[in-house]
Amino acid sequence: NAGVMQNPRHLVRRRGQEARLRCSPMKGHSHVYWYRQLPEEGLKFMVYLQKENIIDESGMPKERFSAEFPKEGPSILRIQQVVRGDSAAYFCASSSLSNEQFFGPGTRLTVL
Amino acid sequence: DQQVKQNSPSLSVQEGRISILNCDYTNSMFDYFLWYKKYPAEGPTFLISISSIKDKNEDGRFTVFLNKSAKHLSLHIVPSQPGDSAVYFCAASDDNTGKLIFGQGTTLQVKP
Repeated sequence: NAGVMQNPRHLVRRRGQEARLRCSPMKGHSHVYWYRQLPEEGLKFMVYLQKENIIDESGMPKERFSAEFPKEGPSILRIQQVVRGDSAAYFCASSSLSNEQFFGPGTRLTVL
Repeated sequence: DQQVKQNSPSLSVQEGRISILNCDYTNSMFDYFLWYKKYPAEGPTFLISISSIKDKNEDGRFTVFLNKSAKHLSLHIVPSQPGDSAVYFCAASDDNTGKLIFGQGTTLQVKP
């Protein structure tokens, strides 16, 4: 009975490199959400996806960030040319038809 | 524009007493509210939720109250236990998007 899985749990990148964060939703869940938590702040919505579709990306920065949820495999949040300000905890959540979202353990990205 | 606000960054209570965590919101379109608990280095864990058609929902030691006219909700934990010590986030959703808008969090410390 696996919950939401995220990997890696910790990721260190140098400025200018790419970061790829993966999220496998709970079994039977077809809705995936990505949130970012900056230090000392609450979680901020980034993007909402269903299989092969981006439903709402109103929280995504306009440049360097992209997300996908392919027909097969995990959802991927991709950050190109990372900067120090991208250092944060990135959480993925999944849900079925209800409003309850179940969160993964997060990926802690550190940009040196 | 902080649509969901938790004005108390921290709260300390004695074991066995009641903990009351508060949350205010500004968007009258929100129709579903949730409370999450978060330990350091883990993802948020769903605790309890309430729909806007209700004013109270109870689950064991946890009760959430909703005052729509005041745009205010609160989480009551009674009796409080040391294991309840964590950061508590309230979140709101409007049914159209499914995305959650989080407050900044309140750190609860329950002293033995």
